[in-house]
Amino acid sequence: EAGVAQSPRYKIIEKRQSVAFWCNPISGHATLYWYQQILGQGPKLLIQFQNNGVVDDSQLPKDRFSAERLKGVDSTLKIQPAKLEDSAVYLCASNLGQGDGNTIYFGEGSWLTVV
Amino acid sequence: GDSVTQMEGPVTLSEEAFLTINCTYTATGYPSLFWYVQYPGEGLQLLLKATKADDKGSNKGFEATYRKETTSFHLEKGSVQVSDSAVYFCALSSTGTASKLTFGTGTRLQVTL
Repeated sequence: EAGVAQSPRYKIIEKRQSVAFWCNPISGHATLYWYQQILGQGPKLLIQFQNNGVVDDSQLPKDRFSAERLKGVDSTLKIQPAKLEDSAVYLCASNLGQGDGNTIYFGEGSWLTVV
Repeated sequence: GDSVTQMEGPVTLSEEAFLTINCTYTATGYPSLFWYVQYPGEGLQLLLKATKADDKGSNKGFEATYRKETTSFHLEKGSVQVSDSAVYFCALSSTGTASKLTFGTGTRLQVTL
């Protein structure tokens, strides 16, 4: 079974530029998450989708971050304009939703450096 | 709200030493508990989990027991290897279909020969 796929793996941009990350969850997984992991910290939830609807985006900085999950499968996370403090690993994860013991599976992450 | 507290690292051990990484949690209801591992340059991998009180999760020689009375989920391994060097994250998941993970800050383990 294929895992959670993310791209690009690495991105370096200048502050005030924009960047987009793509995620393809495990087939059949209804729930999709984007987490931000700053160096030396635990991952922090940015946004959670159930199919193509937003369940929780309370910690998403909506003035610069946006995310969508068209058709309830793939998702994109965009940052515009980027700030230095956005340098982090952006982790996409997915979950079957029911009957899976709440196990959440993570992709390898997209590593962003803002200079 | 939900929270997870882990012992601070780094933890440095010699190969074959005994490992304990402490984890305690605060949550409403009956969460599921997890340990994830992150090797250098890689994403998070599920190491083990426990979904109810007194359950023991185990994998690759690691184990952790869900202790509701002490709200703890300490990670242990009897004999660590150099290849176990990584960052270990304790996490909890609220119950229900809209579950999400709340992570601790992570504990870096360095195992030397």
